[in-house]
Amino acid sequence: DTGVSQDPRHKITKRGQNVTFRCDPISEHNRLYWYRQTLGQGPEFLTYFNYEAQQDKSGLPNDRFSAERPEGSISTLTIQRTEQRDSAMYRCASSLRARDYSNQPQHFGDGTRLSIL
Amino acid sequence: GQQLNQSPQSMFIQEGEDVSMNCTSSSIFNTWLWYKQEPGEGPVLLIALYKAGELTSNGRLTAQFGITRKDSFLNISASIPSDVGIYFCAGQLIGGTSYGKLTFGQGTILTVHP
Repeated sequence: DTGVSQDPRHKITKRGQNVTFRCDPISEHNRLYWYRQTLGQGPEFLTYFNYEAQQDKSGLPNDRFSAERPEGSISTLTIQRTEQRDSAMYRCASSLRARDYSNQPQHFGDGTRLSIL
Repeated sequence: GQQLNQSPQSMFIQEGEDVSMNCTSSSIFNTWLWYKQEPGEGPVLLIALYKAGELTSNGRLTAQFGITRKDSFLNISASIPSDVGIYFCAGQLIGGTSYGKLTFGQGTILTVHP
């Protein structure tokens, strides 16, 4: 499978615990995005990486949320001291900005569903 | 966060009927995309539109990029049961300092009765 891979598929944790999600983008995709989706809504932007550089984190709700992509490939999203309002589907997407500067569409993973007890 | 206005919110149709849904925004985008999402899966790209006025088809699907750059529509002809799912529009601004984050509509839930 050469699509965007996310794990775990489902994470259940108690309020106050830290959680980390992993995203493995499509090979050679330099751009990586994290989105959050709640029931009845479309995905909402959280943060963006170009290779290893986090160039926009304006969508992160607060400082409990952080993301990394240290080697420009796999990315992790961490939520510290989880709260019930953090329950949602967290989706990763990747795309390629080609050498001719054309922007290819974003391809999404199947997401990680976070449930806070 | 900002979301696009997508309508209708849901549709219940008979197999074989045509479907139309649209999306409007208060902001200009230079790319419009339509995705389909099925239970337990991520959004899957259906059609991407890159020029104002562009009309693009993908099988039974046809989408148009509005002239004002603030709207788009998606048509599905001769619907079949496997068309069931949630359809999302997404606007994207690319160029200059913008790297293309997507702004999504709320989705249109499509149900097709055999």
